[in-house]
Amino acid sequence: KQEVTQIPAALSVPEGENLVLNCSFTDSAIYNLQWFRQDPGKGLTSLLLIQSSQREQTSGRLNASLDKSSGRSTLYIAASQPGDSATYLCAVPYGQNFVFGPGTRLSVLP
Amino acid sequence: NAGVTQTPKFQVLKTGQSMTLQCAQDMNHEYMSWYRQDPGMGLRLIHYSVGAGITDQGEVPNGYNVSRSTTEDFPLRLLSAAPSQTSVYFCASTHIGQADTQYFGPGTRLTVL
Repeated sequence: KQEVTQIPAALSVPEGENLVLNCSFTDSAIYNLQWFRQDPGKGLTSLLLIQSSQREQTSGRLNASLDKSSGRSTLYIAASQPGDSATYLCAVPYGQNFVFGPGTRLSVLP
Repeated sequence: NAGVTQTPKFQVLKTGQSMTLQCAQDMNHEYMSWYRQDPGMGLRLIHYSVGAGITDQGEVPNGYNVSRSTTEDFPLRLLSAAPSQTSVYFCASTHIGQADTQYFGPGTRLTVL
């Protein structure tokens, strides 16, 4: 069974800091990994999708890496801003469906 | 494209009542799914569909029914609402294949009294 964990569960940083969010999965036979953002009371918005053949994917200040052999992905946020405050979730495909991590709640303080 | 739409946004039910949560997508996605999100439990899969006429159970299907008569629509039915079904419900869709991004609806916040 695929299990996905995320560390830390919550993170509070001052504005301007660079930070790293971690996602781990137990079954490395995945073909992609997706990072999402969820604002309070809202749905999930896709941030980055990394294919298994890729090692990194970048979008603006966000950079996601994938290491299938170790069962890990990291989401790097550069120069954090208060608007980055949200919950960040990772998800991997499993069979016909997807398994989500529990999320990391990020607060960026002005 | 409207993406994935869900109605209603909020709903309050009494125990034993039934209702249907609507979900529609205009991206011609084969795969559609319903999740519930509860504090401390994360996202849990209720039912999913890989195409019109095909549905299957997820992790927590009890108390819910689905049907997929068209590619666009995937309604979720609560047969006899219970307080344990108080949750936020999300519908999602994607193309089946390796380069798929999942798209989520805005959610329905359901309270069962």
